[in-house]
Amino acid sequence: GAGVSQSPSNKVTEKGKDVELRCDPISGHTALYWYRQSLGQGLEFLIYFQGNSAPDKSGLPSDRFSAERTGGSVSTLTIQRTQQEDSAVYLCASSFAGQRGYGYTFGSGTRLTVV
Amino acid sequence: SQQGEEDPQALSIQEGENATMNCSYKTSINNLQWYRQNSGRGLVHLILIRSNEREKHSGRLRVTLDTSKKSSSLLITASRAADTASYFCATDATAAGSYQLTFGKGTKLSVIP
Repeated sequence: GAGVSQSPSNKVTEKGKDVELRCDPISGHTALYWYRQSLGQGLEFLIYFQGNSAPDKSGLPSDRFSAERTGGSVSTLTIQRTQQEDSAVYLCASSFAGQRGYGYTFGSGTRLTVV
Repeated sequence: SQQGEEDPQALSIQEGENATMNCSYKTSINNLQWYRQNSGRGLVHLILIRSNEREKHSGRLRVTLDTSKKSSSLLITASRAADTASYFCATDATAAGSYQLTFGKGTKLSVIP
């Protein structure tokens, strides 16, 4: 597609349930990033995929968070046993890996609300 | 950890005025980028300035970079109501072979018609 696509755009879930967030990056972008943004705050780095390299998971806040990237394209961020503090907008971005002349292209995000 | 810190946190100006936002960072960088965010959703890349550049222009945007002071500024000239948004600086301080941006908390700009 022409841009980064994220689904769903909004998700309301009950505390304790698992959720899956999906990101479809721009075709040809080998780097994919997940960030989280709480209300009125900056972006918090979660995880970074680059090609076939092992992902950089250093930003994942707990072992309830995990992410996969299948076939070097679509990525899924999974949050298990959701807590209220997980409520945030989850943003996915992609870029040309290793090419510093380019910025990130972001999706519109998934707004997660845990009730 | 927060690399870039924007200043001010919020800015309100009249349409037609210029808006200046500042960003300070802590470590050496490869480049610095500015992004805009409307309504708390996806960010849009505005401009990138490399560590060996001092000034860059794009339309009504002017970005400066002072690596000795570890700071950057974004100037929006002749502001419009449509410029109302949050603006974030992001720094690339990663080693070769990696590419990861660290974002600040943003400046919320309100342009009053």
